[in-house]
Amino acid sequence: GENVEQHPSTLSVQEGDSAVIKCTYSDSASNYFPWYKQELGKRPQLIIDIRSNVGEKKDQRIAVTLNKTAKHFSLHITETQPEDSAVYFCAALVGAAGNKLTFGGGTRVLVKP
Amino acid sequence: GAVVSQHPSWVICKSGTSVKIECRSLDFQATTMFWYRQFPKQSLMLMATSNEGSKATYEQGVEKDKFLINHASLTLSTLTVTSAHPEDSSFYICSAYKGGKTEAFFGQGTRLTVV
Repeated sequence: GENVEQHPSTLSVQEGDSAVIKCTYSDSASNYFPWYKQELGKRPQLIIDIRSNVGEKKDQRIAVTLNKTAKHFSLHITETQPEDSAVYFCAALVGAAGNKLTFGGGTRVLVKP
Repeated sequence: GAVVSQHPSWVICKSGTSVKIECRSLDFQATTMFWYRQFPKQSLMLMATSNEGSKATYEQGVEKDKFLINHASLTLSTLTVTSAHPEDSSFYICSAYKGGKTEAFFGQGTRLTVV
């Protein structure tokens, strides 16, 4: 089955700096890669996603890049703000496998004012 | 968007008892729902795929006789934790997909504490 690895596990940045989180996946059949933000005790919130036929996608301060050949994708957050502090998860989905999502281990991001 | 609702949001139960968690798709029909478990400071781990009108598909290492899943209608799946033990204490989250979309919609989660 699919295996998703995520790094780093914790990330501390100064307000205004950029944050980058990287993920790798194992199943070349994965075709959809969402990123979630989760606050303590809450449900995961989709912040951005990318499909396998796209290399990059941007939404305001958030961007995601995908390298299918290398099987890795990254989340970039620019101009970080204290409210960006949360746990971020990457995930990979194999549509042909019944839409099962496999999550990375998570990155705890702390934005220091 | 789409709304998935779980009930209860939190529950405390005694060891040895059973607890039922409901997952409802409020504004769409879902032939498939997914159940995840999340231990503190860990990731979401898929437990099982709930299929409307048929048996659930469990992930490796998940005891099907302990975690009973029923998907009796197109808008409701239930997870029953039987003979609960303290190690079953966790955050349980369900998800569903609307139509042919790939975006997963999550319930708000259920915090289970077994004492």
